[in-house]
Amino acid sequence: NAGVMQNPRHLVRRRGQEARLRCSPMKGHSHVYWYRQLPEEGLKFMVYLQKENIIDESGMPKERFSAEFPKEGPSILRIQQVVRGDSAAYFCASSPTGQTRGSSGNTIYFGEGSWLTVV
Amino acid sequence: DQQVKQNSPSLSVQEGRISILNCDYTNSMFDYFLWYKKYPAEGPTFLISISSIKDKNEDGRFTVFLNKSAKHLSLHIVPSQPGDSAVYFCAARGNSGGSNYKLTFGKGTLLTVNP
Repeated sequence: NAGVMQNPRHLVRRRGQEARLRCSPMKGHSHVYWYRQLPEEGLKFMVYLQKENIIDESGMPKERFSAEFPKEGPSILRIQQVVRGDSAAYFCASSPTGQTRGSSGNTIYFGEGSWLTVV
Repeated sequence: DQQVKQNSPSLSVQEGRISILNCDYTNSMFDYFLWYKKYPAEGPTFLISISSIKDKNEDGRFTVFLNKSAKHLSLHIVPSQPGDSAVYFCAARGNSGGSNYKLTFGKGTLLTVNP
């Protein structure tokens, strides 16, 4: 987990507010992935980004969720008008290159997660 | 539609004995499988992986077995140690439509190793 920094670690929001989760990938990594873990579930893929590009957002809910990875600064996962069902752990991962068929499992690193609680 | 299933939510073993964690998958496009270990309030940490062209991969106390015909894999930990107590996630990666970066996770198995 060393190197992938997520903040805040814990965030409490009231229904209808906005949540912003930040992820700084490991040094030298330009590929970022966001996963969500709902209670009692496994991690589920949300989005894959490279610098200034969204490569695959097929796992993102169609509304209220957006992600970016600007040229400078961390990747941000933004959730607008949060609802109770958004309460989950959000994990960011990074890799130095895109994961290919030959990539071994130890080239993608996860952060420690951001726990969102919607009250 | 759960493509990766870990049917045992929890497993308890004695220190020094073998821990066997099981995982089943349904998607035949998966060609690479990984095990992650996760402590509470932390992110998953990569443990060991196996490509579909192999049936066994070993790393120290950890061995992963893959049975492609049964779409089943297992993680063996021998000997188990109290520090191994954590949630273990099975994950799979495929090569369908170029989305080989996408990991599909099971729900996890909580392993408790008793001293």
